[in-house]
Amino acid sequence: LAKTTQPISMDSYEGQEVNITCSHNNIATNDYITWYQQFPSQGPRFIIQGYKTKVTNEVASLFIPADRKSSTLSLPRVSLSDTAVYYCLVGDLGNQGGKLIFGQGTELSVKP
Amino acid sequence: GAGVSQTPSNKVTEKGKYVELRCDPISGHTALYWYRQSLGQGPEFLIYFQGTGAADDSGLPNDRFFAVRPEGSVSTLKIQRTERGDSAVYLCASSPGLAGVEQFFGPGTRLTVL
Repeated sequence: LAKTTQPISMDSYEGQEVNITCSHNNIATNDYITWYQQFPSQGPRFIIQGYKTKVTNEVASLFIPADRKSSTLSLPRVSLSDTAVYYCLVGDLGNQGGKLIFGQGTELSVKP
Repeated sequence: GAGVSQTPSNKVTEKGKYVELRCDPISGHTALYWYRQSLGQGPEFLIYFQGTGAADDSGLPNDRFFAVRPEGSVSTLKIQRTERGDSAVYLCASSPGLAGVEQFFGPGTRLTVL
């Protein structure tokens, strides 16, 4: 399974764009990149998933370079309610039976 | 619609006791997962059900942990002879059953073993 490395914590201010980068140097051909968000006292919540290039939804964008050894989650114009832990997950979910392998995550703190 | 629910939300027990944690998945979801999360760490996989059967129980730490899903819906995680190290938040998630589809998590049960 590909090991992921992401910053332990990040600070931002309301209205700013936040980019969280995750390194996964040994990503395999069949691996997908998935990001989850977790608020205190809640279970994780799916944000976005991608394989290559760029994926965008109503919440975030995911940028994946051609070599796929890293990925960047971009949150546009963050608000205080975006304060949470963000997890980058990499794996071949089809062969893992769907089980998710979480790292430590990035604790994002958004300040007024 | 109703999401994944877990009961109880908090459970305090004494070392050596037996506990049961319940998970009600989203209706129609065939896949159900249990994870355990310690303070400051990401969730750790325990077991995965597809329907009634445990498809992957490789994450269960030892034979004190057991989970069932007899009718393919509600699941119960059972912990025998609890130890202080079992203290954590136990999370349940469900998905429609297709690999790679997002998992929907419940709020978790906070287990404290005194």
